[in-house]
Amino acid sequence: AQKVTQAQTEISVVEKEDVTLDCVYETRDTTYYLFWYKQPPSGELVFLIRRNSFDEQNEISGRYSWNFQKSTSSFNFTITASQVVDSAVYFCALSGEDDKIIFGKGTRLHILP
Amino acid sequence: GAVVSQHPSWVICKSGTSVKIECRSLDFQATTMFWYRQFPKQSLMLMATSNEGSKATYEQGVEKDKFLINHASLTLSTLTVTSAHPEDSSFYICSARFFDGYNEQFFGPGTRLTVL
Repeated sequence: AQKVTQAQTEISVVEKEDVTLDCVYETRDTTYYLFWYKQPPSGELVFLIRRNSFDEQNEISGRYSWNFQKSTSSFNFTITASQVVDSAVYFCALSGEDDKIIFGKGTRLHILP
Repeated sequence: GAVVSQHPSWVICKSGTSVKIECRSLDFQATTMFWYRQFPKQSLMLMATSNEGSKATYEQGVEKDKFLINHASLTLSTLTVTSAHPEDSSFYICSARFFDGYNEQFFGPGTRLTVL
């Protein structure tokens, strides 16, 4: 069975601080994809990143960075110099060979001014 | 990027009535669409997988007679909540799959259903 665990239910940080959102996954599939989505109060999911299981390179996009480590089955997400607009719920997700996307429970991030 | 729309964006109905939600891929053909349900402050849970021209596949615990899914064309899938009750109140999100070799799924903006 596939599973995504986001142990941090809620995080609050002061603006400009760095924050890391943890994600641990379980799968028996050899080929799989990992995702991060942002869900602002409007509810619409915003795609942030997709990473396939064969690509362990870390990625940086502006203030966002992702650390994928197969050895620990983790795909952590870091926001550098956080801003109030980053406040949202962030979901880590996994898609295996059956193409279904399984979501973690989400981490609610509050960036305090 | 590919765009997926949902209609309506929100709906309020009386208990016992049926509600239809549409999911459209606007600029690509989607052979597969997925329906998710999200209760307040919870995660998205996959309800069913919809393939064009065939019956939907429902996840365990989802009543297929209550949540009717029709994928009549490559750009449209509909979810009908039959005889809705207050416990069906939720945020329903669809996604459409664009197969470019990477299992790309594009999500709709969601439909908020409130059953009185």
